[in-house]
Order: sequence, then C-alpha cells, then structure tokens
Amino acid sequence: SQTIHQWPATLVQPVGSPLSLECTVEGTSNPNLYWYRQAAGRGLQLLFYSVGIGQISSEVPQNLSASRPQDRQFILSSKKLLLSDSGFYLCASGLAEYNEQFFGPGTRLTVL
Amino acid sequence: GDSVTQMEGPVTLSEEAFLTINCTYTATGYPSLFWYVQYPGEGLQLLLKATKADDKGSNKGFEATYRKETTSFHLEKGSVQVSDSAVYFCALRGRGTSYGKLTFGQGTILTVHP
Repeated sequence: SQTIHQWPATLVQPVGSPLSLECTVEGTSNPNLYWYRQAAGRGLQLLFYSVGIGQISSEVPQNLSASRPQDRQFILSSKKLLLSDSGFYLCASGLAEYNEQFFGPGTRLTVL
Repeated sequence: GDSVTQMEGPVTLSEEAFLTINCTYTATGYPSLFWYVQYPGEGLQLLLKATKADDKGSNKGFEATYRKETTSFHLEKGSVQVSDSAVYFCALRGRGTSYGKLTFGQGTILTVHP
C-alpha cells in the first residue's frame, strides 16, 4: 500500500517570507499527486494536481505554485506568503486505475 | 458540476448510540463514492467506498449504501465509541475524470461522550 510523507509537520512563517512544503510517496509508481488546503479544520479545496513529472495543473488562482521534480515527489511553494495562506495542507496520491486517494499527515502552516 | 452535500454538524452522541450522517450528491453518470475520516491533527483516512449502485461499503462497524435512486450515500454505525470522535467527509469521483479528482463535502464533526 502507499505511504505518503509530508514535512514539515508544523510551520510558522512571517508574511512575505517564502514557502516550501514537500511530499513524497512510497509504495507506488507514476501516481497522480494532489495538494489540498483545508481551512478552519473543515472542507478541502484542491489546489494543484499532477499526472506526471513536470506536469502541474492549477485548480484555483492563488499565491502558491507546485512542482514535481521526480515521480514520487511533489512540492508546494510560494515566493511571498500572505496571511490568507494559513491552513492545513494535505498531499494525496492516487492511481489512475483506482478510485480512491491516499492522504499524507498534513502540514499545519501559520502565517503571522 | 459535481457536488456533495453533507448534513450540518456538529453531531454529539453518547457512547453506544446509533449514528447516521447524511450525504447526497450531484454528478453526471455513476460516480464512485467514499467516506473519509479525519482524526484531530491528522490527514484523511479512507473509511469505506462503493463503486456502483446498491454496493454497500463497510469498515470498522461503519456502513454506507450507494443509492442511485436517491443519489445518497449515508454513513451509519450501530453503536458509536468515544474513539469515533472525528470529522467525517463524504466524497465522490465522477466518471471520466482522467486525473482522478475527488469532490468533497464540507465535513461533519462527530463528538461521542462516554
């Protein structure tokens, strides 16, 4: 089965600072990868998805960007954080031939 | 587009009570349906799933039946425990979504008291 790692687990950053969150996947090859943001501990918003190395699609316009430098590595970045970027960021992995997604433990980001 | 509607929470129950969390959906064709659970401070875990009409997903005492006629996938458990306290998300994957996008409901907070 798949295992998804995310780090850091918790991050506190000042407004205007850069951001890099990393997600790596074990136990599968060529997965679809996803970044979600969860605000106020409730609903999930899909931010980005990737179907392969270097292939990134954005679901919503925003201050963030994503990259996939390796098959099982997915990175979420920002050049300058905003207060509204605070939230719980979840990475997920899924295979095209199956239906479900598997989620990592998440990163709690607080922008002050 | 696809959408999922869950009952508003929070839901507060005593231990051993019966649980129902309602979920209805709108989608083109016949989507796959899921329930995920999120414990405090953690990521989401797949609880159960159903991929076609009349399928019943079950896990850890939880059940949900895919009802095409009512476009519903209600979550039930006969006797809840304190350890079931969490946020529950209903989700669907529509047919023909090549990148496997999941559409989530807003989540329902469940608190179980001893």
